[in-house]
Amino acid sequence: AQTVTQSQPEMSVQEAETVTLSCTYDTSESDYYLFWYKQPPSRQMILVIRQEAYKQQNATENRFSVNFQKAAKSFSLKISDSQLGDAAMYFCAYRSAYNFNKFYFGSGTKLNVKP
Amino acid sequence: EAQVTQNPRYLITVTGKKLTVTCSQNMNHEYMSWYRQDPGLGLRQIYYSMNVEVTDKGDVPEGYKVSRKEKRNFPLILESPSPNQTSLYFCASSSSRTGILAKNIQYFGAGTRLSVL
Repeated sequence: AQTVTQSQPEMSVQEAETVTLSCTYDTSESDYYLFWYKQPPSRQMILVIRQEAYKQQNATENRFSVNFQKAAKSFSLKISDSQLGDAAMYFCAYRSAYNFNKFYFGSGTKLNVKP
Repeated sequence: EAQVTQNPRYLITVTGKKLTVTCSQNMNHEYMSWYRQDPGLGLRQIYYSMNVEVTDKGDVPEGYKVSRKEKRNFPLILESPSPNQTSLYFCASSSSRTGILAKNIQYFGAGTRLSVL
């Protein structure tokens, strides 16, 4: 089974600065999808960004970007110009392209944003 | 508006009292899943369904049942809840479409906080 590891249980960043959240995964599959979800105190799961494994170009969504290193099985999330509203739990997730039903989540990183 | 609706949002019950958490989606998605979220463990898949009458176990199915009699609904049933099932539960759905236009993402419900005393 695939595993997703987030080694940083908690991180802090100053407002307006940049922070990078780490995620590594273990898989023998060649095709898959990777996601970052944000979970604010409301508990809602909000999709932040997604990356298809067959694409070499790193995904970007406004202030959010990823550094996808397929060979290293690494998928980090960079948040630029951090805002107070970015404070949340962030989950990295893996979805198999061969079995769409299987999603694997990391344990999460709690991000604190200091004013 | 595309959404996944879970009910109830909060539930406190006692050990052994059967309960059902409902889940409904309005996006005509084939795939639906149930997850539980526990501190330090992230989300773990309980059960999933590929379509009507097709369900299978996820990583932590013990103590849970599901059914998929209609495409839009995927209830989670706890026949005899125990305190170790106290958790935050999420229902999610996604499309089976593949290809360039497919987003391959899951849409989540708002979560159900369950406490079993």
